[in-house]
Amino acid sequence: QVQLVESGGGVVQPGRSLRLSCEASGFTFNSYGMHWVRQAPGKRLEWVAVISSDGSNQYYAESVQGRFSISRDNSKHTVSLQMSSLRAEDTAVYYCAKDSSSIFFTYFDHWGQGALVTVSS
Amino acid sequence: DIVMTQSPDSLAVSLGERATINCKSNQSILFPSNNKNYLAWYQQKPGQPPKLLISWASTRESGVPDRFSGSGSGTDFTLTISSLQAEDVAVYYCQQYYDTPRWTFGQGTKVEFK
Repeated sequence: QVQLVESGGGVVQPGRSLRLSCEASGFTFNSYGMHWVRQAPGKRLEWVAVISSDGSNQYYAESVQGRFSISRDNSKHTVSLQMSSLRAEDTAVYYCAKDSSSIFFTYFDHWGQGALVTVSS
Repeated sequence: DIVMTQSPDSLAVSLGERATINCKSNQSILFPSNNKNYLAWYQQKPGQPPKLLISWASTRESGVPDRFSGSGSGTDFTLTISSLQAEDVAVYYCQQYYDTPRWTFGQGTKVEFK
């Protein structure tokens, strides 16, 4: 069965950096795009970033463009989110999610349990 | 970005009764070339990640009970729970994937017991 396990969350001061990782299993990892989606306390889900199956294309939400970077290692079945210049408004649970399609970007058919990132001094 | 708006924000339903959640997009998410609506529904229970229920506006995922159904086209969509069960108490989100790579979600609808 598909499993996505996030790690790397924690408390970080404003302006600092943090790296999240997601380890995937149960599917052909190098065939699917992978996403990060976040949810601030009491807020709606917000898509953050996506990386294509081969890692050649990355896209970001405007709110994180230039500060966050998504990458993947297909040999290790992992996807990462490097977050820099963190702000209080980046405080959220960050979910790793698998795209449903191996051809196009579509919807998210499996989600990890999430990693809490708290940006606070 | 495409804005997704759900109504109501919360809904109290008696056990066994019908629950209806609406989702509206500010532009059509129907792709003319394949006549598919690029809309998904997710269920999120407290302390859990979202779970995919329905894709393409009306295609139920494997293992999702048939009391869940999706309908609508263009800009107006509905998720219906035909007979609310205890385990259905959750927040439900709609999502458009028409305008990739700019996925957007509705604000969520909380379904509770009356």
